[in-house]
Amino acid sequence: EAGVVQSPRYKIIEKKQPVAFWCNPISGHNTLYWYRQNLGQGPELLIRYENEEAVDDSQLPKDRFSAERLKGVDSTLKIQPAELGDSAVYLCASSPRGEVTDTQYFGPGTRLTVL
Amino acid sequence: GEDVEQSLFLSVREGDSSVINCTYTDSSSTYLYWYKQEPGAGLQLLTYIFSNMDMKQDQRLTVLLNKKDKHLSLRIADTQTGDSAIYFCAGSGNQGGKLIFGQGTELSVKP
Repeated sequence: EAGVVQSPRYKIIEKKQPVAFWCNPISGHNTLYWYRQNLGQGPELLIRYENEEAVDDSQLPKDRFSAERLKGVDSTLKIQPAELGDSAVYLCASSPRGEVTDTQYFGPGTRLTVL
Repeated sequence: GEDVEQSLFLSVREGDSSVINCTYTDSSSTYLYWYKQEPGAGLQLLTYIFSNMDMKQDQRLTVLLNKKDKHLSLRIADTQTGDSAIYFCAGSGNQGGKLIFGQGTELSVKP
């Protein structure tokens, strides 16, 4: 079974530029998560989707971050414009139903460097 | 909200046992997890324990949960150089699907 796929794996941009990350969850998983992992820290949830609906986006900086999961499968996370402090690893995860008892499976992440 | 704390570094010799510790604040976490992260890779689920259990063993891994002290530990028996990685504990909190992670413990295994 294929795992969570993310692309690109690495991205280097200058500040004020836009950037987008793509995630394809495990087939059949209804719930998709985007986490941000700063250097030396654990991941922090940015947004959680149940199918195509964002059910928890309380930690998403909405002035510059946006996300979508139009058909309830793939998802895109966008930053516009990027700031120096956005340099981090952006992790996508999926789980079957998003219940507390579900296991979350993580992709390899996209490492973003903002210069 | 939930807060999860871990010690930052642990160094052991190959063949020894490693014990990685974690404390958490939210006693309503239904599950507590241990993830492993190797350099440049995503998080790999190692094991988890349901909050009504005290211990879970899975091959070389033993998880101990002390609910009274809100303390979780991961013991790796016969630690190998391939076990060198960052280990994260995480709690499920009381909100469906939201994991709260500690800052990670970097395990270094010396031959």
